[in-house]
Amino acid sequence: NAGVTQTPKFQVLKTGQSMTLQCAQDMNHEYMSWYRQDPGMGLRLIHYSVGAGITDQGEVPNGYNVSRSTTEDFPLRLLSAAPSQTSVYFCASRELAYNEQFFGPGTRLTVL
Amino acid sequence: QQQVKQSPQSLIVQKGGISIINCAYENTAFDYFPWYQQFPGKGPALLIAIRPDVSEKKEGRFTISFNKSAKQFSLHIMDSQPGDSATYFCAASMRSGAGSYQLTFGKGTKLSVIP
Repeated sequence: NAGVTQTPKFQVLKTGQSMTLQCAQDMNHEYMSWYRQDPGMGLRLIHYSVGAGITDQGEVPNGYNVSRSTTEDFPLRLLSAAPSQTSVYFCASRELAYNEQFFGPGTRLTVL
Repeated sequence: QQQVKQSPQSLIVQKGGISIINCAYENTAFDYFPWYQQFPGKGPALLIAIRPDVSEKKEGRFTISFNKSAKQFSLHIMDSQPGDSATYFCAASMRSGAGSYQLTFGKGTKLSVIP
């Protein structure tokens, strides 16, 4: 099993550009989520999904969109990047009935 | 409102010593308290977790102590090793609709174990 994979590993954007961060898992987990990690701020939940076609907002959803068309994939879209979105983004997944969450390796995003 | 407060922000321990990281929570509905370990350039990974019906859980050199009345829990790393140098996050979660559990993380503790 590859677990949770994320692409790209690094990305530099200019203010106003759009992009999609990809996340995939091969563990058949129903629950998937996106976090951002900023220095001294811990991990903050952006959006999550409990299954294909079902998404909801987390603590810091503004500026981000998600969709879940398959169990395996959960992309995160930045429609108009802002410098405040410079961060490290982690995707995670788990089974609905269990608490253990598996994280991907992260995407380091810089918005200039 | 920060629901999980973690301290200290950074910690330096000598090899062989005990590392102690503390967390406090506010929401009494939390029913699952994990600790995650994160090495530089990697995603966090579950280290150990506890539920509020027990006061202590031990796995190897890692122990969680839980005080329900004080709404506090802590991670103890015995015989700390340089390989334990990492950032540690405490977290808490509770059920919230449709069987989903939302993890709320502390801000993290950067542990450095020096030889």
